[in-house]
Amino acid sequence: NAGVTQTPKFQVLKTGQSMTLQCAQDMNHNSMYWYRQDPGMGLRLIYYSASEGTTDKGEVPNGYNVSRLNKREFSLRLESAAPSQTSVYFCASGLAGGNEQFFGPGTRLTVL
Amino acid sequence: GNSVTQMEGPVTLSEEAFLTINCTYTATGYPSLFWYVQYPGEGLQLLLKATKADDKGSNKGFEATYRKETTSFHLEKGSVQVSDSAVYFCALTHVSGSARQLTFGSGTQLTVLP
Repeated sequence: NAGVTQTPKFQVLKTGQSMTLQCAQDMNHNSMYWYRQDPGMGLRLIYYSASEGTTDKGEVPNGYNVSRLNKREFSLRLESAAPSQTSVYFCASGLAGGNEQFFGPGTRLTVL
Repeated sequence: GNSVTQMEGPVTLSEEAFLTINCTYTATGYPSLFWYVQYPGEGLQLLLKATKADDKGSNKGFEATYRKETTSFHLEKGSVQVSDSAVYFCALTHVSGSARQLTFGSGTQLTVLP
C-alpha cells in the first residue's frame, strides 16, 4: 500500500516549456486534489476532482489543466510554464464526504 | 469566506519546553478542524483532528481543543523533542462545489534545539 505517489520529485523547466505532473493513489479514494505550496502562504488549491470523470477549479487554477484519468490517477499539466509557477506541488486524495486528506511527497518545480 | 490564521514563526524552543501554536478560524457553519505536520522534504501528514465543538484531538503528545466560542484550535505539547522539528499547519474543512475542501493556515516552522 503505497498511499499517494507523485512523479517526478524534482523538475527544472525553462519559461514556455510544458510538463505534466503525475499522481496516483491506491486507497480507492473518490476525491483527488492538487495544491501548490509557496513560502508563507500555506497550501492553495489549484484543482480538484470529486469523483472519476469530474474536475473543478480551486483557488488558483490559472495556467494549469488537469485530467482525472481513472479513479487512481489525477495529472496536472502546465502548458506554458512561467517563473510564477515555481513552487512545490502536492497531490492529495480523500474519501467522498470524508474530512481527511492524504498527501503525496510533493514535486519541487523550478521555472527559469 | 473561510480562512485560517495561525501564529507566525519561526518558533525555536529547547528540548522539553512547552509548545503552543495559536490557530483561529473564520467559517460558515461548523467545520472540522485539523493540524497537519510536514517534516523536512516530505508531504503533509495528519497530526490530529476535531469534528465538533469541545472535541479534543490528540496524537503523539500533541493536543488541540475545538473552541467554538473563541473560534480557535490551538496546538499544545507539554514537552517537545528534537524530532518534533517541522512545519505545522492548521486547517479547516468545508464543502465547496462538489467536494470537501481544506483551507490551510500559512504554517508555523518549529525548531527544537537539544
